[in-house]
Amino acid sequence: GAGVSQSPSNKVTEKGKDVELRCDPISGHTALYWYRQSLGQGLEFLIYFQGNSAPDKSGLPSDRFSAERTGGSVSTLTIQRTQQEDSAVYLCASSRRDLQNIQYFGAGTRLSVL
Amino acid sequence: KNQVEQSPQSLIILEGKNCTLQCNYTVSPFSNLRWYKQDTGRGPVSLTIMTFSENTKSNGRYTATLDADTKQSSLHITASQLSDSASYICVVIVYNQGGKLIFGQGTELSVKP
Repeated sequence: GAGVSQSPSNKVTEKGKDVELRCDPISGHTALYWYRQSLGQGLEFLIYFQGNSAPDKSGLPSDRFSAERTGGSVSTLTIQRTQQEDSAVYLCASSRRDLQNIQYFGAGTRLSVL
Repeated sequence: KNQVEQSPQSLIILEGKNCTLQCNYTVSPFSNLRWYKQDTGRGPVSLTIMTFSENTKSNGRYTATLDADTKQSSLHITASQLSDSASYICVVIVYNQGGKLIFGQGTELSVKP
């Protein structure tokens, strides 16, 4: 596609429910990143996929968070048993190979946990 | 601890005026530094990328400077336009650490007519 696409754009869920956020990177980009932007906070790194290498999961805040990237393209970020502190905008980005290339960000998914 | 600090937190200027945003970092080892512009409700968009050896880089009305000795960067906006109203985020990439970008809190710029 022309840009990084994320869905849904907004998600409201109840505390304790699981949610799945989707990211469709730019075609041909082998690197994909997930970040979280909480209200009044800077962007926080979550996870990084690079080609077929094992993902860098060091930014995931707890074991309730997981992500996968199927077929080297679309990625899903899953949050289990959501908590109110999970409320944030979740941003996905992709780049051609790695961090030495420009990252292109999606518009984000705004998650609200009630 | 790897940190990126930006100042001011927010800034209001009149259309047509210039402004300078500051970024100080304590990231090591340093790979490169980027400035992003983030419009409300949108993802960040890259403005400039600067490596260790680069002192100045321009992108239209945006000019970024980098002093690797003092670990400071600035973003200068010339002849501001209403469309420059956005959050400007300074980001430092840690060398050889995958996707780890260290983000500043951003400077909220409002350009008034």
